[in-house]
Amino acid sequence: GIQVEQSPPDLILQEGANSTLRCNFSDSVNNLQWFHQNPWGQLINLFYIPSGTKQNGRLSATTVATERYSLLYISSSQTTDSGVYFCAGGQAGSQGNLIFGKGTKLSVKP
Amino acid sequence: EAGVAQSPRYKIIEKRQSVAFWCNPISGHATLYWYQQILGQGPKLLIQFQNNGVVDDSQLPKDRFSAERLKGVDSTLKIQPAKLEDSAVYLCASSLRGGSTDTQYFGPGTRLTVL
Repeated sequence: GIQVEQSPPDLILQEGANSTLRCNFSDSVNNLQWFHQNPWGQLINLFYIPSGTKQNGRLSATTVATERYSLLYISSSQTTDSGVYFCAGGQAGSQGNLIFGKGTKLSVKP
Repeated sequence: EAGVAQSPRYKIIEKRQSVAFWCNPISGHATLYWYQQILGQGPKLLIQFQNNGVVDDSQLPKDRFSAERLKGVDSTLKIQPAKLEDSAVYLCASSLRGGSTDTQYFGPGTRLTVL
């Protein structure tokens, strides 16, 4: 199966700062999702983005499928953005099986 | 629209005991997934159901784990007997169709501690 690598593993920001999280895949995927896991453990789907760019408020994501990576941008970070950000990929024929990276733990300080 | 429901939220048991978790997916979602998330790692798929049939259970430790999805709606995941290394959060997710391009929605999880 595919390998998913996320960087950086940890990130500490001051409130109001911007950040970029990266996700690399060892093979092509046709399903790529970004999730936020809040401090209570709930996984929230942020983006379904196998290719292209999407924006939702202060968050945006870009996937370059041909180069097997995806980026998540967080602008004007807030303390409520803290948590772990996961990317997950699925391949054609995988019946929806998502392979998750180890996540980026984000801490936003007031 | 109600999200994925799971219960219990927390469970503490001793090794060699048995435990069961329950999941109710989003209404109308054909596909249901059980993931195991060990502390500090991303979720790992244990089993995937399409309606009430198993699509993928290749990573389910079948000597101790079992799961069923009766009537294609609710699902239960059982561990018997539990081991220390089973301590983890067990996440249930559902998706509308279950294809490789489908969006998955997660429940709040059940945190299991095995002593």
